[in-house]
Amino acid sequence: GNSVTQMEGPVTLSEEAFLTINCTYTATGYPSLFWYVQYPGEGLQLLLKATKADDKGSNKGFEATYRKETTSFHLEKGSVQVSDSAVYFCALSEDGGTSYGKLTFGQGTILTVHP
Amino acid sequence: DTGVSQNPRHKITKRGQNVTFRCDPISEHNRLYWYRQTLGQGPEFLTYFQNEAQLEKSRLLSDRFSAERPKGSFSTLEIQRTEQGDSAMYLCASRRQRNTEAFFGQGTRLTVV
Repeated sequence: GNSVTQMEGPVTLSEEAFLTINCTYTATGYPSLFWYVQYPGEGLQLLLKATKADDKGSNKGFEATYRKETTSFHLEKGSVQVSDSAVYFCALSEDGGTSYGKLTFGQGTILTVHP
Repeated sequence: DTGVSQNPRHKITKRGQNVTFRCDPISEHNRLYWYRQTLGQGPEFLTYFQNEAQLEKSRLLSDRFSAERPKGSFSTLEIQRTEQGDSAMYLCASRRQRNTEAFFGQGTRLTVV
Protein backbone atom coordinates (compact mmCIF):
# COMPACT_ATOMS: atom_id res chain seq x y z
CA GLY A 1 0.00 0.00 0.00
CA ASN A 2 0.90 3.66 -0.15
CA SER A 3 2.78 5.40 2.65
CA VAL A 4 4.45 8.73 3.42
CA THR A 5 7.30 9.29 5.86
CA GLN A 6 8.25 12.74 7.14
CA MET A 7 11.29 13.76 9.11
CA GLU A 8 10.98 13.68 12.85
CA GLY A 9 9.99 16.95 14.48
CA PRO A 10 9.45 19.37 15.96
CA VAL A 11 11.61 21.84 14.11
CA THR A 12 12.56 25.12 15.77
CA LEU A 13 14.22 27.89 13.75
CA SER A 14 15.07 31.55 14.05
CA GLU A 15 13.46 34.01 11.68
CA GLU A 16 15.17 34.17 8.24
CA ALA A 17 16.73 30.71 8.65
CA PHE A 18 16.62 28.10 5.87
CA LEU A 19 13.99 25.38 6.19
CA THR A 20 14.03 21.82 4.93
CA ILE A 21 11.42 19.23 5.88
CA ASN A 22 12.14 15.82 4.39
CA CYS A 23 9.43 13.64 2.90
CA THR A 24 9.72 10.26 1.21
CA TYR A 25 6.94 8.10 -0.13
CA THR A 26 6.02 4.61 -1.25
CA ALA A 27 3.35 4.20 -3.90
CA THR A 28 2.13 1.48 -6.20
CA GLY A 29 1.55 3.75 -9.20
CA TYR A 30 2.24 7.33 -10.20
CA PRO A 31 0.91 9.54 -7.43
CA SER A 32 0.45 13.27 -7.15
CA LEU A 33 2.35 14.77 -4.21
CA PHE A 34 1.23 17.53 -1.87
CA TRP A 35 2.26 19.63 1.07
CA TYR A 36 -0.57 20.74 3.35
CA VAL A 37 -0.23 23.25 6.19
CA GLN A 38 -2.31 23.52 9.35
CA TYR A 39 -2.07 26.83 11.19
CA PRO A 40 -3.13 26.92 14.85
CA GLY A 41 -6.91 26.68 15.16
CA GLU A 42 -7.45 26.32 11.42
CA GLY A 43 -8.16 23.53 8.95
CA LEU A 44 -5.74 21.91 6.53
CA GLN A 45 -4.80 24.09 3.57
CA LEU A 46 -3.03 23.04 0.42
CA LEU A 47 0.40 24.69 0.30
CA LEU A 48 1.74 23.28 -2.97
CA LYS A 49 1.54 20.24 -5.22
CA ALA A 50 3.31 18.41 -8.03
CA THR A 51 1.63 15.91 -10.30
CA LYS A 52 4.53 14.25 -12.15
CA ALA A 53 8.22 13.52 -11.87
CA ASP A 54 10.55 16.55 -11.91
CA ASP A 55 7.64 18.97 -11.39
CA LYS A 56 8.36 21.73 -8.89
CA GLY A 57 5.52 23.02 -6.75
CA SER A 58 5.87 26.48 -5.21
CA ASN A 59 3.80 28.87 -3.14
CA LYS A 60 4.47 31.63 -0.57
CA GLY A 61 8.23 31.13 -0.92
CA PHE A 62 8.01 27.38 -0.28
CA GLU A 63 9.20 24.89 -2.91
CA ALA A 64 9.25 21.14 -3.35
CA THR A 65 10.43 19.03 -6.30
CA TYR A 66 8.94 15.64 -7.21
CA ARG A 67 11.93 13.27 -7.33
CA LYS A 68 10.86 9.89 -8.66
CA GLU A 69 14.36 8.39 -8.51
CA THR A 70 14.62 9.02 -4.76
CA THR A 71 10.83 8.88 -4.10
CA SER A 72 11.10 12.20 -2.29
CA PHE A 73 9.27 15.53 -2.09
CA HIS A 74 11.25 17.64 0.37
CA LEU A 75 9.85 21.03 1.39
CA GLU A 76 12.19 24.03 1.41
CA LYS A 77 12.04 27.72 2.13
CA GLY A 78 14.98 30.09 1.96
CA SER A 79 13.96 32.46 4.76
CA VAL A 80 11.25 31.53 7.24
CA GLN A 81 9.04 33.99 9.09
CA VAL A 82 7.30 33.76 12.45
CA SER A 83 4.01 33.50 10.55
CA ASP A 84 5.20 30.19 9.01
CA SER A 85 4.85 28.50 12.40
CA ALA A 86 2.40 25.65 11.77
CA VAL A 87 2.18 21.90 11.25
CA TYR A 88 3.23 20.70 7.79
CA PHE A 89 1.95 17.47 6.24
CA CYS A 90 3.32 15.70 3.21
CA ALA A 91 0.72 13.65 1.32
CA LEU A 92 0.12 11.68 -1.84
CA SER A 93 -2.91 10.65 -3.82
CA GLU A 94 -3.63 8.46 -6.79
CA ASP A 95 -6.60 9.12 -9.02
CA GLY A 96 -6.46 6.07 -11.19
CA GLY A 97 -8.55 2.90 -11.04
CA THR A 98 -10.21 2.47 -7.67
CA SER A 99 -7.97 4.87 -5.75
CA TYR A 100 -10.51 7.72 -6.02
CA GLY A 101 -8.00 10.37 -5.05
CA LYS A 102 -7.90 9.73 -1.33
CA LEU A 103 -4.94 11.29 0.41
CA THR A 104 -2.30 9.37 2.34
CA PHE A 105 -0.57 11.66 4.85
CA GLY A 106 2.70 11.65 6.71
CA GLN A 107 2.65 12.16 10.47
CA GLY A 108 3.23 15.90 10.27
CA THR A 109 6.11 18.16 11.28
CA ILE A 110 5.62 20.96 13.78
CA LEU A 111 7.55 24.09 12.79
CA THR A 112 8.13 26.88 15.29
CA VAL A 113 9.88 30.06 14.15
CA HIS A 114 11.22 32.47 16.78
CA PRO A 115 11.82 36.20 16.15
CA ASP B 1 -17.71 29.49 -2.36
CA THR B 2 -18.22 29.29 1.39
CA GLY B 3 -15.81 26.45 2.04
CA VAL B 4 -16.37 23.07 3.66
CA SER B 5 -18.43 23.37 6.82
CA GLN B 6 -18.41 20.86 9.68
CA ASN B 7 -20.69 20.75 12.70
CA PRO B 8 -20.34 20.61 15.57
CA ARG B 9 -16.78 21.88 16.04
CA HIS B 10 -16.45 20.12 19.37
CA LYS B 11 -18.34 17.21 20.92
CA ILE B 12 -17.86 15.67 24.36
CA THR B 13 -19.75 12.46 24.96
CA LYS B 14 -19.85 9.66 27.48
CA ARG B 15 -18.58 6.23 26.55
CA GLY B 16 -21.35 4.16 25.02
CA GLN B 17 -23.32 7.06 23.59
CA ASN B 18 -23.98 7.61 19.90
CA VAL B 19 -22.76 10.73 18.11
CA THR B 20 -23.39 12.16 14.66
CA PHE B 21 -21.30 14.70 12.77
CA ARG B 22 -22.29 16.68 9.71
CA CYS B 23 -20.26 17.90 6.75
CA ASP B 24 -21.47 20.38 4.15
CA PRO B 25 -19.10 20.29 1.18
CA ILE B 26 -18.49 23.06 -1.29
CA SER B 27 -21.47 23.14 -3.63
CA GLU B 28 -20.95 21.24 -6.89
CA HIS B 29 -18.14 19.18 -5.37
CA ASN B 30 -19.22 15.64 -6.10
CA ARG B 31 -16.39 13.94 -4.22
CA LEU B 32 -16.45 13.86 -0.42
CA TYR B 33 -13.98 12.25 1.99
CA TRP B 34 -13.90 11.63 5.73
CA TYR B 35 -10.62 11.38 7.63
CA ARG B 36 -9.68 10.86 11.26
CA GLN B 37 -6.71 12.58 12.90
CA THR B 38 -5.36 11.62 16.31
CA LEU B 39 -2.89 13.72 18.29
CA GLY B 40 0.54 13.85 16.73
CA GLN B 41 -0.49 11.95 13.61
CA GLY B 42 -1.51 12.82 10.09
CA PRO B 43 -5.11 12.36 8.95
CA GLU B 44 -6.13 8.80 8.05
CA PHE B 45 -8.69 8.03 5.37
CA LEU B 46 -12.04 6.66 6.55
CA THR B 47 -14.46 6.71 3.63
CA TYR B 48 -15.24 8.27 0.24
CA PHE B 49 -18.43 9.30 -1.54
CA GLN B 50 -18.90 10.14 -5.17
CA ASN B 51 -22.24 11.92 -5.25
CA GLU B 52 -24.49 9.76 -3.05
CA ALA B 53 -22.58 6.52 -3.57
CA GLN B 54 -20.15 5.34 -0.88
CA LEU B 55 -17.40 3.84 -3.02
CA GLU B 56 -14.65 3.08 -0.55
CA LYS B 57 -14.35 2.35 3.16
CA SER B 58 -11.17 1.97 5.15
CA ARG B 59 -10.60 -0.98 7.44
CA LEU B 60 -10.42 1.69 10.17
CA LEU B 61 -14.19 2.10 9.77
CA SER B 62 -15.52 -0.52 12.16
CA ASP B 63 -19.13 -1.70 12.24
CA ARG B 64 -19.88 1.03 14.80
CA PHE B 65 -19.21 3.68 12.17
CA SER B 66 -21.64 4.56 9.42
CA ALA B 67 -21.61 7.36 6.90
CA GLU B 68 -24.25 8.62 4.52
CA ARG B 69 -24.57 11.24 1.84
CA PRO B 70 -28.22 11.45 0.88
CA LYS B 71 -28.87 13.18 -2.44
CA GLY B 72 -25.17 13.74 -2.89
CA SER B 73 -25.11 16.93 -0.85
CA PHE B 74 -24.20 17.01 2.86
CA SER B 75 -22.79 13.95 4.60
CA THR B 76 -23.15 12.54 8.10
CA LEU B 77 -20.80 10.31 10.06
CA GLU B 78 -22.32 8.40 12.95
CA ILE B 79 -20.43 6.54 15.64
CA GLN B 80 -22.45 4.14 17.75
CA ARG B 81 -21.50 2.99 21.24
CA THR B 82 -18.53 5.35 21.39
CA GLU B 83 -15.27 4.17 22.96
CA GLN B 84 -12.42 6.24 24.38
CA GLY B 85 -10.30 5.23 21.40
CA ASP B 86 -12.72 7.10 19.15
CA SER B 87 -11.49 10.42 20.58
CA ALA B 88 -9.97 12.26 17.63
CA MET B 89 -10.47 15.07 15.14
CA TYR B 90 -12.82 14.04 12.33
CA LEU B 91 -12.12 15.88 9.08
CA CYS B 92 -14.21 16.22 5.97
CA ALA B 93 -12.85 17.19 2.56
CA SER B 94 -14.45 17.77 -0.83
CA ARG B 95 -13.25 18.19 -4.38
CA ARG B 96 -14.87 18.79 -7.74
CA GLN B 97 -13.36 16.04 -9.84
CA ARG B 98 -10.21 14.07 -10.46
CA ASN B 99 -6.88 15.81 -10.13
CA THR B 100 -8.28 18.91 -8.47
CA GLU B 101 -7.51 20.30 -5.05
CA ALA B 102 -9.24 18.84 -2.01
CA PHE B 103 -10.62 21.44 0.42
CA PHE B 104 -10.84 20.57 4.10
CA GLY B 105 -13.25 21.65 6.77
CA GLN B 106 -12.03 22.70 10.20
CA GLY B 107 -13.02 19.37 11.67
CA THR B 108 -15.08 18.07 14.58
CA ARG B 109 -13.09 17.30 17.70
CA LEU B 110 -14.62 14.35 19.56
CA THR B 111 -13.76 13.61 23.18
CA VAL B 112 -15.14 10.43 24.70
CA VAL B 113 -15.06 10.44 28.50
